[in-house]
Amino acid sequence: EAAVTQSPRNKVAVTGGKVTLSCNQTNNHNNMYWYRQDTGHGLRLIHYSYGAGSTEKGDIPDGYKASRPSQENFSLILELATPSQTSVYFCASGTGSSAETLYFGSGTRLTVL
Amino acid sequence: SQWGEENLQALSIQEGEDVTMNCSYKTYTTVVQWYRQKSGKGPALIILIRSNEREKRSGRLRATLDTSSQSSSLSITGTLATDTAVYFCAFYGNEKITFGAGTKLTIKP
Repeated sequence: EAAVTQSPRNKVAVTGGKVTLSCNQTNNHNNMYWYRQDTGHGLRLIHYSYGAGSTEKGDIPDGYKASRPSQENFSLILELATPSQTSVYFCASGTGSSAETLYFGSGTRLTVL
Repeated sequence: SQWGEENLQALSIQEGEDVTMNCSYKTYTTVVQWYRQKSGKGPALIILIRSNEREKRSGRLRATLDTSSQSSSLSITGTLATDTAVYFCAFYGNEKITFGAGTKLTIKP
């Protein structure tokens, strides 16, 4: 079965600190995605990747960087965390076709104080 | 926005009743997907409908797609308490999948 694992599950950070959220997939999917979920906004795309070494900006990339060092791993980096980045973050993988199914991890709850 | 409906909607119904959720979209798409997200989990695909299909069924689920009005619906018949979740519609366009705000469905036992 498709497996996407996120770490950590919960994270508390201070304003101005650096935060790295990690995602690992064992599906051998080319595409990986980072979304954030806030009440009333659904899931909003931050960054995505077509494969190792590639990162693309999504709809709300400001304040975030992404890194895809391998097929399996995709990280989301907040260089200078702000309270407005308090949210639940989801990673997903997909095959990359027009009818691709996204397989999501269980999310990381990030609180920036 | 690429979606017509942006606000998270909330529905609360009795177990056993039927329910229909709707969404509309603005950008051309060939595929609409419906995902279900249970508390504390990530979303999971429950049904996918293509532009050449007007209706798709899967067990108690029924999805429709009207490309002329750019709208889709998801119906659940004979709801169970385990159907309590947030339901998202999502569409593929501009080489990525975009999600709507979702409908929070609560089934009362």
